[in-house]
Amino acid sequence: EAGVTQFPSHSVIEKGQTVTLRCDPISGHDNLYWYRRVMGKEIKFLLHFVKESKQDESGMPNNRFLAERTGGTYSTLKVQPAELEDSGVYFCASSGTVLETQYFGPGTRLLVL
Amino acid sequence: GIQVEQSPPDLILQEGANSTLRCNFSDSVNNLQWFHQNPWGQLINLFYIPSGTKQNGRLSATTVATERYSLLYISSSQTTDSGVYFCAANSGGYQKVTFGTGTKLQVIP
Repeated sequence: EAGVTQFPSHSVIEKGQTVTLRCDPISGHDNLYWYRRVMGKEIKFLLHFVKESKQDESGMPNNRFLAERTGGTYSTLKVQPAELEDSGVYFCASSGTVLETQYFGPGTRLLVL
Repeated sequence: GIQVEQSPPDLILQEGANSTLRCNFSDSVNNLQWFHQNPWGQLINLFYIPSGTKQNGRLSATTVATERYSLLYISSSQTTDSGVYFCAANSGGYQKVTFGTGTKLQVIP
């Protein structure tokens, strides 16, 4: 069974540009989560989808971040426009139910110059 | 939400040495996991261990849920063990996982 996959593995962009990160959860997992680790700090929750609906988006830092999960399968996280402080590693995770363990993807390393 | 604290924050080991990393949490947990973030930033799941003891090669983990702590043991450390080790947990009705601040491990030859 394939695990959670993320694309791209890394991205280098200039300040002000747009970047879109993609996450493919484990097949059949309704719950999808985004987390990030910026500036060497702790890993923090961004948001949680149940199928295509946003269950909790309390961790989204500001309106430059837009997450979607059309059709309840893969998800995208768009940063527009990117700022220097957005640099870090963005992780996606999925679970079958909210009580099950979350399986994490390898992350996307984002560098904003 | 739950609070997760890890110690020590930094650790330097000579190759071949053993170490113990600690994770304290403030509430009873539904899930507790240990991760290794390698130097390339990838997050590797090590253990899912809300209670009890598990072993995987040179690594083992023990969670004492009643006393709200978990330990990660690394034996015969290797340079490839370097990176940051995170403990993460969720509890009650909270689905989002809370991560500790991590232990940065450097294993030197």
